[in-house]
Amino acid sequence: DQQVKQNSPSLSVQEGRISILNCDYTNSMFDYFLWYKKYPAEGPTFLISISSIKDKNEDGRFTVFLNKSAKHLSLHIVPSQPGDSAVYFCAASGVPPGAGSYQLTFGKGTKLSVIP
Amino acid sequence: DGGITQSPKYLFRKEGQNVTLSCEQNLNHDAMYWYRQDPGQGLRLIYYSQIVNDFQKGDIAEGYSVSREKKESFPLTVTSAQKNPTAFYLCASSISAGGFNEQFFGPGTRLTVL
Repeated sequence: DQQVKQNSPSLSVQEGRISILNCDYTNSMFDYFLWYKKYPAEGPTFLISISSIKDKNEDGRFTVFLNKSAKHLSLHIVPSQPGDSAVYFCAASGVPPGAGSYQLTFGKGTKLSVIP
Repeated sequence: DGGITQSPKYLFRKEGQNVTLSCEQNLNHDAMYWYRQDPGQGLRLIYYSQIVNDFQKGDIAEGYSVSREKKESFPLTVTSAQKNPTAFYLCASSISAGGFNEQFFGPGTRLTVL
């Protein structure tokens, strides 16, 4: 049972326009949410995070929005650039029952293509 | 430069052989993790370690083993008991696992079992 879902496997956007990547989660225990960017054959790199007590966090061109009641978060990239083309993973952080420490649960990722 | 190194980047093994993937970090992080990524899938947690000489199973630990004898090192052994070992393996670390801390990832090792 997927606890973190990214329902769009891919997204294409024109350079300069806004990219919106979506993520849904099912477990209320998650208290931090993160976005990672990944190029092929490389490790993910951290982009931005948000605490569950906030509804927005901004860092340059990247903004993450959290709607707790809907269990939904989104990553906005404005303006989109060709170098943003990568796979974006949504991750949720929490302590699973019996685990004793924080763990990340990842979605399957969304491949973003920014067209020049 | 501080970071996480994984070696080798590509690894080929024959079916039935055990293989060990290396992960080293010089970030002075207490917690280390191993994930597996398959095509079209998210990252799935294999094992994690909160501190030296301690480690716990993640969601898909069967067929894998780890050790944590040094703070800097967290090698993963893929045993012959792992039914489908061909995958991209990622190592990560964080300052600690006792609270929320960002995880930093290494470059990954692609294992292909022939």
